[in-house]
Amino acid sequence: EAQVTQNPRYLITVTGKKLTVTCSQNMNHEYMSWYRQDPGLGLRQIYYSMNVEVTDKGDVPEGYKVSRKEKRNFPLILESPSPNQTSLYFCASSLQSRSTGELFFGEGSRLTVL
Amino acid sequence: GQQLNQSPQSMFIQEGEDVSMNCTSSSIFNTWLWYKQDPGEGPVLLIALYKAGELTSNGRLTAQFGITRKDSFLNISASIPSDVGIYFCAGLPKRAGSYQLTFGKGTKLSVIP
Repeated sequence: EAQVTQNPRYLITVTGKKLTVTCSQNMNHEYMSWYRQDPGLGLRQIYYSMNVEVTDKGDVPEGYKVSRKEKRNFPLILESPSPNQTSLYFCASSLQSRSTGELFFGEGSRLTVL
Repeated sequence: GQQLNQSPQSMFIQEGEDVSMNCTSSSIFNTWLWYKQDPGEGPVLLIALYKAGELTSNGRLTAQFGITRKDSFLNISASIPSDVGIYFCAGLPKRAGSYQLTFGKGTKLSVIP
């Protein structure tokens, strides 16, 4: 089954404790992206990757890092989480490196930073 | 980034009613898309529009790419309870080298049986 898999789905952590949210897709997609969803603000892009070893900042990259060492994986790293990073995070992928906008989303990872 | 104004923010409708929502921008977009997010799930693509004036249907859903390239509309006919969720418009701007999708803030739809 074609899918984008995120882990963990739910996480409660404390300020400053490094964490990684993994994202994996099995569709051989070139383009991958991370979004955060907050009430009243919709979906905002954090980082995106057009191919292996190619990443770029989205609209809200501060406090996050990403890497794209393999085509299928695009982990989101929070080096020193803060409470304002409490949010619902979505990973998404698209077939083409020049995204047509037709994204496949994961089921989301709800992160709470205390 | 780009700003998309999506309205209404929320709607409460009776089952069987038709629904309309829209999205506008001050900039020109090359692509408009509509996604739906069911409660507890990730967004799923409903309709993609690639040409100004294009009208596309997907079952009871119909979406249009505005002639000015600055707006798009989504209509749902004869709503049913499973239409409940958040509907997002999204657009790819008409800007060389720009592949960043911008999302509206969503329209939360509630259907009263």
